[in-house]
Amino acid sequence: NAGVTQTPKFQVLKTGQSMTLQCAQDMNHEYMSWYRQDPGMGLRLIHYSVGAGITDQGEVPNGYNVSRSTTEDFPLRLLSAAPSQTSVYFCATVHSFGYTFGSGTRLTVV
Amino acid sequence: SQELEQSPQSLIVQEGKNLTINCTSSKTLYGLYWYKQKYGEGLIFLMMLQKGGEEKSHEKITAKLDEKKQQSSLHITASQPSHAGIYLCGAETGANNLFFGTGTRLTVIP
Repeated sequence: NAGVTQTPKFQVLKTGQSMTLQCAQDMNHEYMSWYRQDPGMGLRLIHYSVGAGITDQGEVPNGYNVSRSTTEDFPLRLLSAAPSQTSVYFCATVHSFGYTFGSGTRLTVV
Repeated sequence: SQELEQSPQSLIVQEGKNLTINCTSSKTLYGLYWYKQKYGEGLIFLMMLQKGGEEKSHEKITAKLDEKKQQSSLHITASQPSHAGIYLCGAETGANNLFFGTGTRLTVIP
């Protein structure tokens, strides 16, 4: 099925652990982005990419790294997880008809 | 920086009633998106508005962008339990990314 696939759907981490949230799309879209959603805050942009090899920071980039080696994949890395990074993370692609979001990864850092 | 204010923050209506959700921007809107989100799920695209005075409808949902392009409204006619969820408005930032409002939580009582 065409779309944006995020894995895992749920994750619990201990403070200081590292992990990678995966995002894959099969629509050949150049633009991809990561958002986090917190209660009462809406979605906030973490990082985005305008194409393979090009990434840039969004509104809340601290504590996160990204890379874009292929058009299809845009992983989000947490090098040392903190409780403040407990959130729901959404990946999105941009196309001529708008934005398509993945189903999200719910991350809890204890 | 841009601000998007949604009102009301939450709404409880009886099934069959009409309702309106507003999204007000501190800056001119060049692309305004409406999404719906159910708990634990991703964002479902509803509508995109770009032109001042534009109005779009899909099933029982109508969205409008005012002439000055600083406010959008989402109107649901004859609400149903299936309309329940969180409604988010998002504005394009000019870099193929969205800046979101904080959301409106809609509950429809059967």
